[in-house]
Amino acid sequence: QKEVEQDPGPLSVPEGAIVSLNCTYSNSAFQYFMWYRQYSRKGPELLMYTYSSGNKEDGRFTAQVDKSSKYISLFIRDSQPSDSATYLCAMSARAEAGTALIFGKGTTLSVSS
Amino acid sequence: NAGVTQTPKFRVLKTGQSMTLLCAQDMNHEYMYWYRQDPGMGLRLIHYSVGEGTTAKGEVPDGYNVSRLKKQNFLLGLESAAPSQTSVYFCASMQALSGANVLTFGAGSRLTVL
Repeated sequence: QKEVEQDPGPLSVPEGAIVSLNCTYSNSAFQYFMWYRQYSRKGPELLMYTYSSGNKEDGRFTAQVDKSSKYISLFIRDSQPSDSATYLCAMSARAEAGTALIFGKGTTLSVSS
Repeated sequence: NAGVTQTPKFRVLKTGQSMTLLCAQDMNHEYMYWYRQDPGMGLRLIHYSVGEGTTAKGEVPDGYNVSRLKKQNFLLGLESAAPSQTSVYFCASMQALSGANVLTFGAGSRLTVL
């Protein structure tokens, strides 16, 4: 079993839809959780990061962590065509610089206008 | 502020040829990484460096070498390219930010080995 599992999609939704992207993980030591967004032919860029369990909101984006279920989610409200990208979850056990990040394989999202 | 810059952006090699990918960062980050990204495989760590003069192996190091002679530069070398090394290569650097590790990625180098 991979440490981090992420449904690759693709996921296609109409503009304005609510999108839910998810990752599951097996290592209970993970405490730091990130979502990266990667546009086609570009490098990944950090979108959201959270520590431990709970929710974090940033505009139309909400990151949710459920450590008891080893499950994290990224919700996108009022999705826009500009949200079309691949979303990668990433996580680590410690915050010290240099601690390895474990990535999911990414979910490709397409938002149609 | 350029962030992380990778050169070249595209390259086509023949099997057996050698080449070097260059990564430069201007953020004074200590940690630098080389990943490859393949369809269905996600991001896989090749090598990384925790500071000038240091390197370490990642998940898929075979067939690659790296050097970190200067803090701002991290070079990835292929001594004898193979078709299995056709991939998109990403360089990244890291800082510790508000209790979480954050990777800053370059735009990628797309390599095709024929």
